[in-house]
Amino acid sequence: DAGVIQSPRHEVTEMGQEVTLRCKPISGHNSLFWYRQTMMRGLELLIYFNNNVPIDDSGMPEDRFSAKMPNASFSTLKIQPSEPRDSAVYFCASRKDGTRTDTQYFGPGTRLTVL
Amino acid sequence: GDSVTQMEGPVTLSEEAFLTINCTYTATGYPSLFWYVQYPGEGLQLLLKATKADDKGSNKGFEATYRKETTSFHLEKGSVQVSDSAVYFCALNPPNQGGKLIFGQGTELSVKP
Repeated sequence: DAGVIQSPRHEVTEMGQEVTLRCKPISGHNSLFWYRQTMMRGLELLIYFNNNVPIDDSGMPEDRFSAKMPNASFSTLKIQPSEPRDSAVYFCASRKDGTRTDTQYFGPGTRLTVL
Repeated sequence: GDSVTQMEGPVTLSEEAFLTINCTYTATGYPSLFWYVQYPGEGLQLLLKATKADDKGSNKGFEATYRKETTSFHLEKGSVQVSDSAVYFCALNPPNQGGKLIFGQGTELSVKP
């Protein structure tokens, strides 16, 4: 199993540019989560999908952030326009629902730097 | 709301020392509790978990016991190794919120030879 795949691994962009982060969950998993990790705020859940439907987006910081999951094998997180305070590591995780204690499997993360 | 509080790091230990990382939580009902570990440059990996009061999760020599009376889930290991150097996250899954996890702020562990 390839695990959760994220791309790109590193992204450097200038303020005001559009940024798109991509995630491929583990095959057969039906929940997908986007997290943001910063020194100041730790690990925050941004949004999660179940069976491709957004269930909880209360962690999305503002309208500049949007996420989609057009099918079971692909999700995107878009920031438009980007700002320096968006610099962080963004993680995607997936999970196969069965019980409450089913494990979330994390990808390696995308390190975003907005100049 | 639901939350997790961990002891602040960094924690620096010598090899073979005893490790405790404190974790307490606030939640309504009966959450499930987890410890995740993050090695440098990698994503988080599940270390252990517990689903109900007095359950003990264990893996790779690490243990944690779900204590409802003290709302705690402290992580322990009897003899740490240099390879255990990482950031450790305590997390809870609130009841009736699907797979959502709420994480503590993380505790960095550094083990010296």
